[in-house]
Amino acid sequence: QKEVEQDPGPLSVPEGAIVSLNCTYSNSAFQYFMWYRQYSRKGPELLMYTYSSGNKEDGRFTAQVDKSSKYISLFIRDSQPSDSATYLCAMTLSGGYQKVTFGTGTKLQVIP
Amino acid sequence: EPEVTQTPSHQVTQMGQEVILRCVPISNHLYFYWYRQILGQKVEFLVSFYNNEISEKSEIFDDQFSVERPDGSNFTLKIRSTKLEDSAMYFCASRGQGNTGELFFGEGSRLTVL
Repeated sequence: QKEVEQDPGPLSVPEGAIVSLNCTYSNSAFQYFMWYRQYSRKGPELLMYTYSSGNKEDGRFTAQVDKSSKYISLFIRDSQPSDSATYLCAMTLSGGYQKVTFGTGTKLQVIP
Repeated sequence: EPEVTQTPSHQVTQMGQEVILRCVPISNHLYFYWYRQILGQKVEFLVSFYNNEISEKSEIFDDQFSVERPDGSNFTLKIRSTKLEDSAMYFCASRGQGNTGELFFGEGSRLTVL
């Protein structure tokens, strides 16, 4: 079983749609959960960061973490063509020097 | 806004040659990382570095790889004898003090080994 699993897509939606992106993981010790956005041949850009279970909202983006199910989600409301990118879930045991483990990424295309 | 900067943006080298990739992490950050992404594949951890020594490394980070922080600002990744399979994007990342998980990445250095 992979440590972090993410549906690679591609996911194609019309502009204005609500997008749901998901990851599951196997290591129950993960404490910090992140979503990154990556444009082609660019570095990952941190979008959302949450600690333990719960929800976090930032503008059109909402991150959810359900540690009991080992499941995290990112929702994008009113999706825009500029949201077209690959979305990477990532997680880590703690801060400090601990490595961050990434999912494979979901490629999203928002069609005008 | 502070950012992680990497040079070069693209390097082409012959198999067997040595390559050094350079990074300037965010200035008050303490933890430094190198990650690799082969085209179309996931972002993979290579090594973490703290207090002038390697904290953790993956099985990818074998003896041909080394890291160094030669001064107070630069963080380098050296590949001693490049192989074709080393062709990838190499990302430097840094993390601040405190027990948080946020990791900030540079734009990457694309390495092409011929």
